[in-house]
Amino acid sequence: QSALTQPASVSESGGQSITISCTGTSSDVGGYNYVSWYQQHPGKVPKLMIYDVSRRPSGVSNRFSGSKSGNTASLTISGLQADDEADYYCASYSINGPSFVFGTGTMVTVL
Amino acid sequence: QVQLQESGPGLVKPSETLSLTCTVSGASITDTRYHWGWVRQPPGKGLEWIGNVHYSGATYSKPSLKSRVSVSLDTSKNQFSLRLSSVTATDTAAYFCMRHDGSGMDVWGKGTTVSVSS
Repeated sequence: QSALTQPASVSESGGQSITISCTGTSSDVGGYNYVSWYQQHPGKVPKLMIYDVSRRPSGVSNRFSGSKSGNTASLTISGLQADDEADYYCASYSINGPSFVFGTGTMVTVL
Repeated sequence: QVQLQESGPGLVKPSETLSLTCTVSGASITDTRYHWGWVRQPPGKGLEWIGNVHYSGATYSKPSLKSRVSVSLDTSKNQFSLRLSSVTATDTAAYFCMRHDGSGMDVWGKGTTVSVSS
């Protein structure tokens, strides 16, 4: 069971938008709508930002949105702010096990 | 407010068993809406899901760790535990306990660092 594939890093200027991809297989991302996204600031605890592909927990800014097409899920952050600078991880349910699998992680830098 | 707190030894010898406990406050581990589980993060690396347990008795773990992992509940103490046997240096990591509602891991402990060294 391999980790889901994410770009290692994404950079963009404040106020702009970015999209982070998360590529899996039909056994995980493509087969189920149980994709979630987590934000982790350095030395901090991961925070749930998106669940069930596109749903936001209470208290999470609507600047964060999720989607999925085939075996690839995406997280979009609009109106980038300095505090968005963090590592982001996707996760998905997998039929293998069954189990859950995280993505490789993406470091977001706000220029 | 639901809170999770990990506890256990910070140092484990190679080939021994790593044992951690997560104490839950503000919620009951018998609540059938939730699973309870563990995630780890080696220094400077990404998150790795380890395993979950449900009040029904269902447990499931990462396939590559399955032979070494045990996750269990102690309802009398409102705690759940992780046991990882035959540890090596590659098991050195920050270990987080979390609550999983089937859709996402919505509550996390602060994490505890475990080093494997003789």
